[in-house]
Amino acid sequence: DADVTQTPRNRITKTGKRIMLECSQTKGHDRMYWYRQDPGLGLRLIYYSFDVKDINKGEISDGYSVSRQAQAKFSLSLESAIPNQTALYFCATQSGFSTDTQYFGPGTRLTVL
Amino acid sequence: DQQVKQNSPSLSVQEGRISILNCDYTNSMFDYFLWYKKYPAEGPTFLISISSIKDKNEDGRFTVFLNKSAKHLSLHIVPSQPGDSAVYFCAAQRRGSTLGRLYFGRGTQLTVWP
Repeated sequence: DADVTQTPRNRITKTGKRIMLECSQTKGHDRMYWYRQDPGLGLRLIYYSFDVKDINKGEISDGYSVSRQAQAKFSLSLESAIPNQTALYFCATQSGFSTDTQYFGPGTRLTVL
Repeated sequence: DQQVKQNSPSLSVQEGRISILNCDYTNSMFDYFLWYKKYPAEGPTFLISISSIKDKNEDGRFTVFLNKSAKHLSLHIVPSQPGDSAVYFCAAQRRGSTLGRLYFGRGTQLTVWP
């Protein structure tokens, strides 16, 4: 079984709809991250969480919100989806140390029409 | 502002030859550098890293070289194999920071042909 899972893997939605992307991990890591990747661009950080009570904005948090329901679960919401949020979204986990490797989920491909 | 740059979006190499992927960075505070590999429909996976106190790190067929004065690093794959065909992301980090945030380049699509 995969250590970091994301659901759904693919989603097509319409402008204005609320969407939630979910991430679960079995690695027991404290830190979790949400990134987005656009064609021809690298991964950009949306939000990150160091533990259940700690949520922080990344470089492109506008239009997004997150919820850390448990150590193992970190959800990303688009309150009112817009077409320029069409992208590939990745969740990542990391142990409690900033020096450790980040482990990525398989990604969610989101299309906003 | 792109602090990590991969100026070659694609690279095509024959099997058995050397693949050299390049990466430049602008922030002199970065002290740790990583390469991630990404296959289609999968998330990036960690490949190899190097600390700024070193100028070379080798792991099997993969070697990363760091030139701090030029703010440049490169990933060498020798010999290249068709299974190496993937997108390679260069990433940089300030290990002294609490976040340990990764800054990614745009990626280079490597194609290894038989």
